[in-house]
Amino acid sequence: DTAVSQTPKYLVTQMGNDKSIKCEQNLGHDTMYWYKQDSKKFLKIMFSYNNKELIINETVPNRFSPKSPDKAHLNLHINSLELGDSAVYFCASSPSLGHEQFFGPGTRLTVL
Amino acid sequence: GESVGLHLPTLSVQEGDNSIINCAYSNSASDYFIWYKQESGKGPQFIIDIRSNMDKRQGQRVTVLLNKTVKHLSLQIAATQPGDSAVYFCAETPPHANAGKSTFGDGTTLTVKP
Repeated sequence: DTAVSQTPKYLVTQMGNDKSIKCEQNLGHDTMYWYKQDSKKFLKIMFSYNNKELIINETVPNRFSPKSPDKAHLNLHINSLELGDSAVYFCASSPSLGHEQFFGPGTRLTVL
Repeated sequence: GESVGLHLPTLSVQEGDNSIINCAYSNSASDYFIWYKQESGKGPQFIIDIRSNMDKRQGQRVTVLLNKTVKHLSLQIAATQPGDSAVYFCAETPPHANAGKSTFGDGTTLTVKP
């Protein structure tokens, strides 16, 4: 009965590889998000999707490509991973824009 | 205990005391504000929210105060408990087309001493 789930929880990979993180919400929400949290706990919005449409893309390198196959899923694909991509990535959802967000447990990405 | 100035990265309080966590936000157009709690190894969790047409909102043991004049938000926790130890984030959300772009503050680490 997990509301927002992410897989995998941990991801360790080499520089230059391509990886994906999956996110699913079973709350029936219209809006989904990806955030990046760095080692200092600073949390920054990357993407916002509303009804499967991208509405916010916050100066994220185009190596990062979100995909929303349906309203319940928002996946994040990262090409050519770099050391600076190491962080915890959080998926979140909200009933619609401008409402409280429900966060997933996070995916800790380590790029070696 | 209270974090002073814009915010402090850490706040340490004694169990049973009241805690005040402060936050300065940047966008005067923001009309929705949320406090989140993040425990170690977990995602942020909603605590309480407030819209810009209010200046105070109370929940269970928590109160949020909004001062739009100086763009300041505070979270008050009554009778702080060890389980309240976490990082607390304020988040501001602009209206309308930019409502998908919430901006989070830097976070304040609250430590509750038994």
